[in-house]
Amino acid sequence: DAGVTQSPTHLIKTRGQHVTLRCSPISGHKSVSWYQQVLGQGPQFIFQYYEKEERGRGNFPDRFSARQFPNYSSELNVNALLLGDSALYLCASSLVLSQGSSYGYTFGSGTRLTVV
Amino acid sequence: AQSVTQLGSHVSVSEGALVLLRCNYSSSVPPYLFWYVQYPNQGLQLLLKYTSAATLVKGINGFEAEFKKSETSFHLTKPSAHMSDAAEYFCAVSNNFNKFYFGSGTKLNVKP
Repeated sequence: DAGVTQSPTHLIKTRGQHVTLRCSPISGHKSVSWYQQVLGQGPQFIFQYYEKEERGRGNFPDRFSARQFPNYSSELNVNALLLGDSALYLCASSLVLSQGSSYGYTFGSGTRLTVV
Repeated sequence: AQSVTQLGSHVSVSEGALVLLRCNYSSSVPPYLFWYVQYPNQGLQLLLKYTSAATLVKGINGFEAEFKKSETSFHLTKPSAHMSDAAEYFCAVSNNFNKFYFGSGTKLNVKP
């Protein structure tokens, strides 16, 4: 079975541009989360989507947005890119969204975004 | 509020030696705790998780961690380090499996 797939794997953008990152969850997984991992730091939660609805949002500016499609894939959009947006963006999927679930999240390999 | 503190951004051990990576958490509710490993240019791989069952949790690749509520700790150990264990390790806490709070990571170096 394919794991969580993210595209592209690497991306270079200029300050002020817009970027779209894509994530395909494991087949059957309905929950997708996005994390930003700046070099030298741990991942920071950006968004969580379940059944196409936003279920959680981290402390990120409105330049960051996301959506989930009927097939449960997801896009993360970042507008007006800043140098500080350079990071590894990780997508994670899970089968369910329930408190106390014994299911875990599976992470993709990420998209490395460099803003110059 | 929840947070994780990983003591030691870099840990170096000899091959065959004990691995001990430290993690302390802060949580206002009973937490779920996780250890993830990240190899260069890769995503995160789950090593093990604590979900309020047994306090000693065994994971993949010979790693285990013990949940100690009195010390708010969830340290990761492995009796004998292997060269392939060299990677970055992240401790994470969650109260509902939906939003994870990660520590800043510990890079493990294994010397031959």
